[in-house]
Amino acid sequence: DVKVTQSSRYLVKRTGEKVFLECVQDMDHENMFWYRQDPGLGLRLIYFSYDVKMKEKGDIPEGYSVSREKKERFSLILESASTNQTSMYLCASSPVVQGKEYYEQYFGPGTRLTVT
Amino acid sequence: GESVGLHLPTLSVQEGDNSIINCAYSNSASDYFIWYKQESGKGPQFIIDIRSNMDKRQGQRVTVLLNKTVKHLSLQIAATQPGDSAVYFCAENIYGSARQLTFGSGTQLTVLP
Repeated sequence: DVKVTQSSRYLVKRTGEKVFLECVQDMDHENMFWYRQDPGLGLRLIYFSYDVKMKEKGDIPEGYSVSREKKERFSLILESASTNQTSMYLCASSPVVQGKEYYEQYFGPGTRLTVT
Repeated sequence: GESVGLHLPTLSVQEGDNSIINCAYSNSASDYFIWYKQESGKGPQFIIDIRSNMDKRQGQRVTVLLNKTVKHLSLQIAATQPGDSAVYFCAENIYGSARQLTFGSGTQLTVLP
């Protein structure tokens, strides 16, 4: 089974703090994604990465950055946390098999971040 | 940008009845659709998917129907069980790349005893 793990289930940070959210997948997937999930808005893509050191902006990248130094690990960084970044953050991954990309994304359990 | 929406935000069904969850999409170029289930406190889990060259696909107790004429997608759950209570999301591949899925806001399914 594919396993996507996230470093924390719950996190409380203060406004202005730098926040790191870590995601690790164990299935050697090429693609990794960060979403935030808010009531009534569904999942919104923040950033994704299709290879080590590669990244692309999603729909809502403002206030976030990402890092992918190793294939299995994708980090989301909030440079200076603000209260409007209080949300559920979900990491996902998907494979490329024999040059063909698979649409299905495998999700981690999520990190509920509260910024006070 | 384009978005995937749902007709109803909540749905309550009696245990044993069939459930139908609907989803509307707006981009006629979308070629892949997927349904996810998200239980409380967990990440979304894959249920079933369908490509645009199909009208229907069946899984275990679930069926997805795709009507491209009216850009409508539905998820049918047969003999709904308490464990089916969750939020259900549809998602579509809008940009023609497997790297991006666009998600709807979700429907909360509650199974009544």
